Amino acid sequence: GAGVSQSPSNKVTEKGKDVELRCDPISGHTALYWYRQRLGQGLEFLIYFQGNSAPDKSGLPSDRFSAERTGESVSTLTIQRTQQEDSAVYLCASSFSRGSRDNGYTFGSGTRLTVV
Amino acid sequence: DQQVKQNSPSLSVQEGRISILNCDYTNSMFDYFLWYKKYPAEGPTFLISISSIKDKNEDGRFTVFLNKSAKHLSLHIVPSQPGDSAVYFCAASLPYGGSQGNLIFGKGTKLSVKP
Repeated sequence: GAGVSQSPSNKVTEKGKDVELRCDPISGHTALYWYRQRLGQGLEFLIYFQGNSAPDKSGLPSDRFSAERTGESVSTLTIQRTQQEDSAVYLCASSFSRGSRDNGYTFGSGTRLTVV
Repeated sequence: DQQVKQNSPSLSVQEGRISILNCDYTNSMFDYFLWYKKYPAEGPTFLISISSIKDKNEDGRFTVFLNKSAKHLSLHIVPSQPGDSAVYFCAASLPYGGSQGNLIFGKGTKLSVKP
C-alpha cells in the first residue's frame, strides 16, 4: 500500500484480556517501529525491527508486551492481561533503514486502545 | 531522563503572526533533528529536519534553527495559518550505529492558530 496501515483503528477491551494490534509497513521499508502515546504524554518508543536482526525491545514497558515481525512484512504487537494504564494510541512507523535521516519515519494513523 | 524536551505543552498564536516552537536536548551526540506535525486521529507526519552541521534550514513558511552550543532548536512558522493548528513533536537522532538508532521524541507542543 501507499502508506503504513494499522488495524484496528479503535479497540475497546476489558481489563485482563489480551489484544493484538497489527501494522502493515510500506513495502520495501526494512525498519519498523512501535510507539505509544498515552493521554497528555509524548511518543514513547516501544520496539523496533530492522530486517532479520534481533529486535530492539528496550522500550517495552513490561513482559506483558511482545511484538513479532516476519521478515520485512507485517508486525503484530500483543498486550497480554491488559491493564487500564495500557490505554493509549499505539503508533507504528516504518523507514528504509535504521535511523533513516532524509525524512524520518512514515507513521500509520494508530490504534486507539481503551481498557475498561 | 528526558533527552528531548519541549517545555511548552501549548501555544496560541493569531493568524498571520509568527509561531515559535522550542525544543531542548541534553545529548550532545545527537546529530540530526526533525520536526513532526500531528493532527488528531492521524499519525505524525514529517515536517522539516536539520543536520547538526547546519544552523538553519528553511522550507516555505517553516524554518528550523539549531543552536548547538545551547543544545536548542526552534521551529518558526511564518505566517501562521489556522491549518497549522496541530501538535508538533521535536525528535533527535544519534549517528548511524548509535545505541538505539531510532528517533527520540519530545512530548509535543499543541499549537492553536486563531483566525
